[in-house]
Amino acid sequence: DIRMTQSPSSLSASVGDRVTITCQASHDINKYLNWYQQKPGKAPMILIYDASNLETGVPSRFSGSGSGTDFSFTISSLQPEDIATYYCQQYDNVPPTFGQGTRLDIK
Amino acid sequence: QVHLVQSGPEVKRPGASVKVSCEPSGYIFTDHIVHWLRQAPGQSLEWLGWIRTTNGKTGYSKQFEDRITITRDTSASRVYMELTSLRSEDTAVYFCARPQSGSYWRFGFWGQGSLVTVSS
Repeated sequence: DIRMTQSPSSLSASVGDRVTITCQASHDINKYLNWYQQKPGKAPMILIYDASNLETGVPSRFSGSGSGTDFSFTISSLQPEDIATYYCQQYDNVPPTFGQGTRLDIK
Repeated sequence: QVHLVQSGPEVKRPGASVKVSCEPSGYIFTDHIVHWLRQAPGQSLEWLGWIRTTNGKTGYSKQFEDRITITRDTSASRVYMELTSLRSEDTAVYFCARPQSGSYWRFGFWGQGSLVTVSS
């Protein structure tokens, strides 16, 4: 299975800050990476697909980039409603696998 | 509007089986595959398997393939996930998910989750 390693595992930032999370794959996964947001007690919500494409209805402050083994996810200006845990997910190989998550808090 | 409604929480003894249901609505049931994933307390997400709702073909994670069965009932528009030989490590929230149109692996629509607790 492909291992996905996210960094950092937790992060505190202030409203308005630019926040970046990284995700590294154990093997080349081309661009086959999605990003999800999960709030406590809720199901995940997909934000980004194919590494850099914004899902319909997702605010433009969210963005993603990367290919191969190294990816990043950015919130350009952190909002209070962005407090959540974020996961990357590869789907180049079956089974699809997820990073361990990055918990984002407001400072 | 697409919705996936799952069955309620379950408490099971070690060694027992559990069967969780998922009822999608808001689209033609046989137009999309359905996946099952789970999330243990405080942990990340883990993919379990999928079912092609047209013909019932399934694919499972090798980690679970000897204990999991995913089925569908097209007359009831429901998908089921059964996990056998439960152990404490199977305690988790189990989700069904439907991919976005044109995709297999973009999990765009999710059920609300079903908590399965395995405890003696």
